[in-house]
Amino acid sequence: GQQVMQIPQYQHVQEGEDFTTYCNSSTTLSNIQWYKQRPGGHPVFLIQLVKSGEVKKQKRLTFQFGEAKKNSSLHITATQTTDVGTYFCAGPEVPTGGFKTIFGAGTRLFVKA
Amino acid sequence: DTEVTQTPKHLVMGMTNKKSLKCEQHMGHRAMYWYKQKAKKPPELMFVYSYEKLSINESVPSRFSPECPNSSLLNLHLHALQPEDSALYLCASSQAPGEGYGYTFGSGTRLTVV
Repeated sequence: GQQVMQIPQYQHVQEGEDFTTYCNSSTTLSNIQWYKQRPGGHPVFLIQLVKSGEVKKQKRLTFQFGEAKKNSSLHITATQTTDVGTYFCAGPEVPTGGFKTIFGAGTRLFVKA
Repeated sequence: DTEVTQTPKHLVMGMTNKKSLKCEQHMGHRAMYWYKQKAKKPPELMFVYSYEKLSINESVPSRFSPECPNSSLLNLHLHALQPEDSALYLCASSQAPGEGYGYTFGSGTRLTVV
């Protein structure tokens, strides 16, 4: 079945270092979404990418959607302790017309001050 | 009002108990979802309601019974649960069903089955 894979599983960084998480789908996606879940919290919607090759920025966060619309990345510049959490990518399941959103396994980010 | 409210925040129940989880949103969203999340795992879809009708049931055991009384409310009725059902239960909503809409999640109900 359709899969959304995410790497790395976790990453430890020193505050101020950059961080990137990658997401790969087994099928072409019409869009991809990114969520952040703080420890003990709930997923919070960050952004949605729709167009092939799209790049969007939110302050220190840069999101990219691949040209083939099968992969995406989230890059954080100069991490801060407030960036700690798990970052999930998510894409619509094709057969259900997007009624079902498939989440990647997530990347847990640890930031050491 | 741009949030999804879930009650209770924590619930401990015995295997013979009956309880209900409640979810409410006032954003006019027409799709609502129940997700189950185990520790260090991604959210796992249980049910999708589209315009108050059950659209997707991800082969969830019958001890979980969803209900959508109106466009703002979503309930999850629990009966005869097992300890392995202990998890964070998340409600979410989106503007409409289908592609193209981000989800707004509630803060969840942390359920422990004893």
